[in-house]
Formats: sequence, structure tokens, C-alpha cells
Amino acid sequence: AQRVTQPEKLLSVFKGAPVELKCNYSYSGSPELFWYVQYSRQRLQLLLRHISRESIKGFTADLNKGETSFHLKKPFAQEEDSAMYYCALLTGTASKLTFGTGTRLQVTL
Amino acid sequence: GAGVSQTPSNKVTEKGKYVELRCDPISGHTALYWYRQSLGQGPEFLIYFQGTGAADDSGLPNDRFFAVRPEGSVSTLKIQRTERGDSAVYLCASSLRSPQGTQYFGPGTRLTVL
Repeated sequence: AQRVTQPEKLLSVFKGAPVELKCNYSYSGSPELFWYVQYSRQRLQLLLRHISRESIKGFTADLNKGETSFHLKKPFAQEEDSAMYYCALLTGTASKLTFGTGTRLQVTL
Repeated sequence: GAGVSQTPSNKVTEKGKYVELRCDPISGHTALYWYRQSLGQGPEFLIYFQGTGAADDSGLPNDRFFAVRPEGSVSTLKIQRTERGDSAVYLCASSLRSPQGTQYFGPGTRLTVL
């Protein structure tokens, strides 16, 4: 069965510091990975997906099949990045997303 | 345009009662999903509709949970004989196509069973 692991419940960084939110997955087939973000009092929204290979709000994520990881990175954290981040996996033939437990990113001055 | 909407935003009920939660997907989206998010957890899949039919209901926890989408648009999640463990945020999402389309989420319905 597929599984997504986000080992950190909370990540606290200073403004301007680099950010790396960890995500590991378990799936035997060809995965499709996503990062969703939830800002305070807002709905869950897509941040990026690995097949797009794009940078959104300065965030990037690279799928590493050898390490089964999809870590989210940003070189310089901003206050507005403070939010809850969820890594999610969509399997090849299924229609459902499997989410990790989420990491709260707190960016302080 | 309008995003996914869900009503009510909050629902408080007593153990044993019946509840209905409604989801209005983005216009034109044929795929609709229900997820449940308990405190401190990520969303967990419940059921997926393609058009009017439930294509995958493997996430429904037991037969007290049922969902319909009779006209291929609005969906209703129905919970019978509610239990305290059903308390959670119920999320709805829709996508233009499935299974690879981006899922857009609604604001959720917070269900509290006393």
C-alpha cells in the first residue's frame, strides 16, 4: 500500500534562511507527487506537482526515485510562507491522493 | 470563477443522529472527491465520483457512510447513526478530469459529534 511520511510536525526558521520540508513516499509503481499548502483560515491549495517541474513562490521540489523522496525547498524563507504543508501521492491507476500528516512551517523575524 | 463550496461550514450534532454534508464542485468538473481530516492528520480519502457514479468508495470507513451525486454535479455525503469518532473536517475536491487532473479543494465542513 502507498504511504507518505513527513517526519517533522513543525519546522521553525528565520526569515531569509533556507527551508527544506521533507517528504518520503512508499509506492511500488510510478508515483506522481504533489505539495499542497494551507495558509491560516484558507483552504487547501496546490503548491506544485513534480511533473510540472516549475517553481512556485520560490519553492521547488525534485522527485528522487532512488531515495523515494520529494523534499520541498526554498532558498530564502519569507514570513508569508508560514503555513501548513502537505505532501501527497497520486498512484498511477488510482484516483485518490494519499497525504502525509503535514509539516507546519513557521518563519520568524 | 467560483471555487468548490461546501455547506454547512460547521455542523454540531448529537451521537446517533443523521447528518448530510453538501459539496458544490467547480462548474464543468466531472471528478469529485470526499476526504476526511482528523485533528493532527492529513486528509484521508473517502470516495471518488466520476460523473454520477462512485468509481472508488474504498475509503468509506463503514456502511454508516454513504455519498451520492445524482446529476453529476452536487454531491451529498450522508452519515447515519453518528459516533463521536466521526468528528472531523470533511473536505470535498473536484477536478476537470481524472485521474490525473489537479484536485481543487473546498473549505471543508467541520463536523462535531457530541
